Amino acid sequence: EDQVTQSPEALRLQEGESSSLNCSYTVSGLRGLFWYRQDPGKGPEFLFTLYSAGEEKEKERLKATLTKKESFLHITAPKPEDSATYLCAVQAYQGGSEKLVFGKGTKLTVNP
Amino acid sequence: DGGITQSPKYLFRKEGQNVTLSCEQNLNHDAMYWYRQDPGQGLRLIYYSQIVNDFQKGDIAEGYSVSREKKESFPLTVTSAQKNPTAFYLCASSRAGTIKGEQYFGPGTRLTVT
Repeated sequence: EDQVTQSPEALRLQEGESSSLNCSYTVSGLRGLFWYRQDPGKGPEFLFTLYSAGEEKEKERLKATLTKKESFLHITAPKPEDSATYLCAVQAYQGGSEKLVFGKGTKLTVNP
Repeated sequence: DGGITQSPKYLFRKEGQNVTLSCEQNLNHDAMYWYRQDPGQGLRLIYYSQIVNDFQKGDIAEGYSVSREKKESFPLTVTSAQKNPTAFYLCASSRAGTIKGEQYFGPGTRLTVT
């Protein structure tokens, strides 16, 4: 069964304290890995797409990387406005159809 | 501004009533999706549609129905057959093709059934 596991479930950082979120996956036929940000009570906002191992994408204080089994979302010098739940999703091709599997998310809190 | 709108933001219904959630997009996207989000769980796909007048069941379609009569609109009906309808419902869209991971989400509708 395809699985996407995000860790930790929750992370508290002080402003400026860099860290990483993890997304590990066990899927066959990987088509892409996606990161989203979700604020409380709102819909997810697309951040990054990664297609192959070794690929990296950056946006402001966020950098996403991909290996054959996991992806990391690195947050450098975070600010309180980076507080949100970060979702990882994996797109795989199985049995003749595409499937998108979401992880449960990591809730990030950045304290001033 | 292009985007996806969902209405209403909050919806309250009594058990046994059907309820329809609205989703409209002006992004000119061909594909549209409905997800359900429950605390402590990942997003789960209810239905998706890749073109007008066609849609497919997702992982948890039982107790739900959809229609896709226009490219811009993909309403979801939560029927009385859905055993646990209270949840946060999200509509999304993406460009043409198979299920795409780069999806654009609406603000969501929180449905409470008592």
